[in-house]
Amino acid sequence: GESVGLHLPTLSVQEGDNSIINCAYSNSASDYFIWYKQESGKGPQFIIDIRSNMDKRQGQRVTVLLNKTVKHLSLQIAATQPGDSAVYFCAEKRGYNTDKLIFGTGTRLQVFP
Amino acid sequence: ETGVTQTPRHLVMGMTNKKSLKCEQHLGHNAMYWYKQSAKKPLELMFVYSLEERVENNSVPSRFSPECPNSSHLFLHLHTLQPEDSALYLCASSQAAVNYGYTFGSGTRLTVV
Repeated sequence: GESVGLHLPTLSVQEGDNSIINCAYSNSASDYFIWYKQESGKGPQFIIDIRSNMDKRQGQRVTVLLNKTVKHLSLQIAATQPGDSAVYFCAEKRGYNTDKLIFGTGTRLQVFP
Repeated sequence: ETGVTQTPRHLVMGMTNKKSLKCEQHLGHNAMYWYKQSAKKPLELMFVYSLEERVENNSVPSRFSPECPNSSHLFLHLHTLQPEDSALYLCASSQAAVNYGYTFGSGTRLTVV
């Protein structure tokens, strides 16, 4: 069935390295995507979003890339810091006639010194 | 502070108890959501309220009963729960059809004993 999925459940990176978290989606009608970060004991927090008419968007230390051809979304975190340790979720909005977000399972990012 | 406040943060209840979860948003949003977050599962959408009207109920058992008395408040009434209902319950809000990003609360960690 249609789903938003993540390739890796856990990603371990060394402090200072770049992190790349991937997400696959299967609904070609999806027009909006968001990355959320969830730290322990907290609710998900918005990181960055991208609309389907774009293929790249940059924020502070984060970049989201969208490849609609292969239905793939990635979150790149530059110079990963211990404070980046969290679970990261991608979410998609499936079309113009809905506001509902569909979330993926999540990837846990672990940053070690 | 995310602008979405959930109380209580933690709740332990017996299977015969009746309790309620509360969510309040201070963002002027017009849509509110209840999500269930279990270990190793995607966020599960339970209920959607738009302009105080329930617009979605994702086959949630009747032991969960939502209430949205106004656009700023959302409740989840719990009755005769099962141990498998133990999870993190997240409330979110958004400005439907304007800004698709959800703002989440920190959640209520529910344990059913």
